[in-house]
Amino acid sequence: AQSVAQPEDQVNVAEGNPLTVKCTYSVSGNPYLFWYVQYPNRGLQFLLKYITGDNLVKGSYGFEAEFNKSQTSFHLKKPSALVSDSALYFCAVRDSGGGYQKVTFGTGTKLQVIP
Amino acid sequence: DGGITQSPKYLFRKEGQNVTLSCEQNLNHDAMYWYRQDPGQGLRLIYYSQIVNDFQKGDIAEGYSVSREKKESFPLTVTSAQKNPTAFYLCASSMGVGGLGEQFFGPGTRLTVL
Repeated sequence: AQSVAQPEDQVNVAEGNPLTVKCTYSVSGNPYLFWYVQYPNRGLQFLLKYITGDNLVKGSYGFEAEFNKSQTSFHLKKPSALVSDSALYFCAVRDSGGGYQKVTFGTGTKLQVIP
Repeated sequence: DGGITQSPKYLFRKEGQNVTLSCEQNLNHDAMYWYRQDPGQGLRLIYYSQIVNDFQKGDIAEGYSVSREKKESFPLTVTSAQKNPTAFYLCASSMGVGGLGEQFFGPGTRLTVL
């Protein structure tokens, strides 16, 4: 069975500092990986995805993520955090196989950017 | 604007009542999903539908029912059999089998049982 782990319930970072939100995954085949952001009482917004190709993926709002196959990780990064980045972040994975493939979400990491 | 709408935003239910949550999309997506979100548990899949007139149970389908009579619409009914229905409910859609799995989410409905 596939799974996603977000080992940190909360990450605190000072405004202007780089941020990293960690994600590791387990899937039987090749992974498709996603990051979403959720603001309070709102739906999830798509940030970026890894399908194939370059291990460094760039997404919305200056976020990027690095796919590491050997470590089965897909950490979310941003060079300089903004207070407005404070939100709940979800990592998700699905198998790249054909047909319907379930998407599994992590439990989320709350990012707090301190002014 | 293209997107997914959910209504109502807030819903209150008395014990023993059935309630229906609405989800509509104009993205021309084939697949639609219902998730339940509880604090610290991430998103759990209730039901999904890959095509009109077809739907499948997810991980926590007990006490819920759905229909998919139109491509644009995927309403969720929370029945009295659902013992702990208070939660935030999210509807999503994606291209379906031909897509890469990226899902688009509605704004959510917060259901509270009184």
